[in-house]
Amino acid sequence: DTGVSQNPRHKITKRGQNVTFRCDPISEHNRLYWYRQTLGQGPEFLTYFQNEAQLEKSRLLSDRFSAERPKGSFSTLEIQRTEQGDSAMYLCASSRNGQGIEKLFFGSGTQLSVL
Amino acid sequence: GDSVTQMEGPVTLSEEAFLTINCTYTATGYPSLFWYVQYPGEGLQLLLKATKADDKGSNKGFEATYRKETTSFHLEKGSVQVSDSAVYFCALSSQGAQKLVFGQGTRLTINP
Repeated sequence: DTGVSQNPRHKITKRGQNVTFRCDPISEHNRLYWYRQTLGQGPEFLTYFQNEAQLEKSRLLSDRFSAERPKGSFSTLEIQRTEQGDSAMYLCASSRNGQGIEKLFFGSGTQLSVL
Repeated sequence: GDSVTQMEGPVTLSEEAFLTINCTYTATGYPSLFWYVQYPGEGLQLLLKATKADDKGSNKGFEATYRKETTSFHLEKGSVQVSDSAVYFCALSSQGAQKLVFGQGTRLTINP
């Protein structure tokens, strides 16, 4: 396993701008998850995909947030009209179909700072 | 809703000390329980898990026992090393759910 890759590692943006993050899961992992982690807190679930289908979204995922996984491989998370409250670490994780939530492999995250 | 509460940190210990990090949970039914660890500069890694009551998860000298009667999943290690310095997260997933609910994390520092 080469690991879950997230890009960029850091993103600084001004309030009101749009940002997009990318996640490349471990090859052949068909489940992909997005979490958000604020300073001093544990990760919070945002959404997950099985292949290209987005099967669950948290109420934390406001309509400014959209996630896609068009070909069932990499995924993107876009935040439109960023707000200072969006500043957080955005984590991606993947798992094999047979393991699901039982064993997630996390990336190192994208740290977003909204000025 | 489901929730996880961890002992407040940070925790600082000397090498070879005994470690306990407390974790209690609130959930309906029979959740699966996990401990994840985050080493500096790295992503979260699964440390151990238990999927039913009285199960004991273990890995790298760490252990945790699923106690339904006390709704707890405390993490223990008999003799910690400097390399165990990290942030530890307790988490649960409810039956059939495809998401983890995490505690707030406990930062552990081991001094030589």
